[in-house]
Amino acid sequence: GAGVSQSPSNKVTEKGKDVELRCDPISGHTALYWYRQRLGQGLEFLIYFQGNSAPDKSGLPSDRFSAERTGESVSTLTIQRTQQEDSAVYLCASSLGARDTETQYFGPGTRLLVL
Amino acid sequence: DAKTTQPNSMESNEEEPVHLPCNHSTISGTDYIHWYRQLPSQGPEYVIHGLTSNVNNRMASLAIAEDRKSSTLILHRATLRDAAVYYCILRSGNQFYFGTGTSLTVIP
Repeated sequence: GAGVSQSPSNKVTEKGKDVELRCDPISGHTALYWYRQRLGQGLEFLIYFQGNSAPDKSGLPSDRFSAERTGESVSTLTIQRTQQEDSAVYLCASSLGARDTETQYFGPGTRLLVL
Repeated sequence: DAKTTQPNSMESNEEEPVHLPCNHSTISGTDYIHWYRQLPSQGPEYVIHGLTSNVNNRMASLAIAEDRKSSTLILHRATLRDAAVYYCILRSGNQFYFGTGTSLTVIP
């Protein structure tokens, strides 16, 4: 079946512009995660959605970052007034549920470059 | 914070076993230990997870210390396709802490 998809694959933008990144999770997966991965670094947790519960936004680095999810489907991560330090790969993952044993399935990521 | 410590890099010869260590001294009694790996230019993929007992699956084995403060991912016969960054992860609340992982190089 289809895995997690993300779009665009690559995005180049100018400092100060807003960008929107999209994630389509696996159908039926109630949990969705966004991560950021800077070059040569590990993954930083950004935000977590679980069903209709309020999202866990504790990983968002600043108020320029926000994310939404429509029900248990597509999610968008928005970065306003982009800065050069926002350049990174943004990864989305989904899982069937929220139990500790659930496997996360990752998308290929969106590579963001802020000039 | 549920943090893990891994060596930055390791090398292995092809067809030989690889033991990837991970320290997680702050683990709590209910934390599962997860391992993911990330091939170049791809998102991470699940490898294995466990709680207390050693675990085996088609990809690898996971050996967990009796005090659960460390674990070892075992690849029984490394292949060139196993070259990746391996992450040992604990979950704290809704967050999975990936750290910087171990970059595994497989030598032909």
